[in-house]
Amino acid sequence: GENVEQHPSTLSVQEGDSAVIKCTYSDSASNYFPWYKQELGKRPQLIIDIRSNVGEKKDQRIAVTLNKTAKHFSLHITETQPEDSAVYFCAAITGNQFYFGTGTSLTVIP
Amino acid sequence: NAGVTQTPKFRVLKTGQSMTLLCAQDMNHEYMYWYRQDPGMGLRLIHYSVGEGTTAKGEVPDGYNVSRLKKQNFLLGLESAAPSQTSVYFCASRSPSGGAREQYFGPGTRLTVT
Repeated sequence: GENVEQHPSTLSVQEGDSAVIKCTYSDSASNYFPWYKQELGKRPQLIIDIRSNVGEKKDQRIAVTLNKTAKHFSLHITETQPEDSAVYFCAAITGNQFYFGTGTSLTVIP
Repeated sequence: NAGVTQTPKFRVLKTGQSMTLLCAQDMNHEYMYWYRQDPGMGLRLIHYSVGEGTTAKGEVPDGYNVSRLKKQNFLLGLESAAPSQTSVYFCASRSPSGGAREQYFGPGTRLTVT
């Protein structure tokens, strides 16, 4: 099956700085790559996603890039704010199954 | 629209007891999923269903059974609970139509097995 690795596991940034989280995947058949934000005690919420036929997608302060050849994709958050503090998960879908990374705990220091 | 709901929110079981977790969605989604979330391990797929009357195994199916008798409901059963099944369980649903891939998650069930 698919194997998704995510780094780093923890990340601290100063408010206003950028944050980058990276994921790699193993199955070249994976064709959809969502990113989720999970606040403490809450359910995961989709924040951005990208399909395998697209190299980059942006939504305000959040962007995702995909390199199919290298099998990696990244989440970029610019101008970070304290409310961005949460755990972020990447995922890859192969067929009907979602495979998740192990999460990155992001702390934005005011 | 309630979206995806889960019952119960919390449960404590003794080793060997059984229970059923209920997931319900009112979005007419074909696909439904059960995940478990453990510290440092992300979400792992237990079982999933691509339609009423169908189920399939995910990454970590051992010790769990599921049923999808109605399109809107997906039940997760633990026949003989073990401490290793202490976890937070999330249900999710999505529609495969129109190329949509987004999953909608329920609020989670926190299960402790002593």
